[in-house]
Amino acid sequence: KAGVTQTPRYLIKTRGQQVTLSCSPISGHRSVSWYQQTPGQGLQFLFEYFSETQRNKGNFPGRFSGRQFSNSRSEMNVSTLELGDSALYLCASWSQIETQYFGPGTRLLVL
Amino acid sequence: GEDVEQSLFLSVREGDSSVINCTYTDSSSTYLYWYKQEPGAGLQLLTYIFSNMDMKQDQRLTVLLNKKDKHLSLRIADTQTGDSAIYFCAERLTGGFKTIFGAGTRLFVKA
Repeated sequence: KAGVTQTPRYLIKTRGQQVTLSCSPISGHRSVSWYQQTPGQGLQFLFEYFSETQRNKGNFPGRFSGRQFSNSRSEMNVSTLELGDSALYLCASWSQIETQYFGPGTRLLVL
Repeated sequence: GEDVEQSLFLSVREGDSSVINCTYTDSSSTYLYWYKQEPGAGLQLLTYIFSNMDMKQDQRLTVLLNKKDKHLSLRIADTQTGDSAIYFCAERLTGGFKTIFGAGTRLFVKA
């Protein structure tokens, strides 16, 4: 099976812009989680989706939003970008036995 | 509270065993995981253990869980230079649809 795919892999934006990141889970996986990874804060949980419903959300401002589509693909959006949003954004999909598989990530740089 | 703690660095010689330790605070975890991250890559699931187990062995990897002390360890036998990476401990919270990660332990393997 193909792994989790994330697009784009790299992105450069300027402050105030918005960005949309995409994640395609492993075929058959219905749940997707998103994380932000930075050197200072480590891996921080953003959201988790299952069958198009958000099951949980981390402690991030409302500028961070996400959604999941009927084919289990997910997107996350960050509006009004700040310098501190520069990070590696990781998506993971869940198997039925509660194991989580990560994609390669999208590296976002905000200038 | 929700917290997972790991030591930041570990250095071993090639061929020795490595033991990476982790403590967690939430007693309602269901699964505990070990992930490996190499530079520029996403997280690779190494192994996991269900919270009612004490030990799990998978080739060179041995996971020990002490639920009373909320302590998890990962032993890598016959450590190789290719094992140099950051290792993350994580716990899956019961019913919370959330996974908490430690800050990661950077393993250096000296030839």
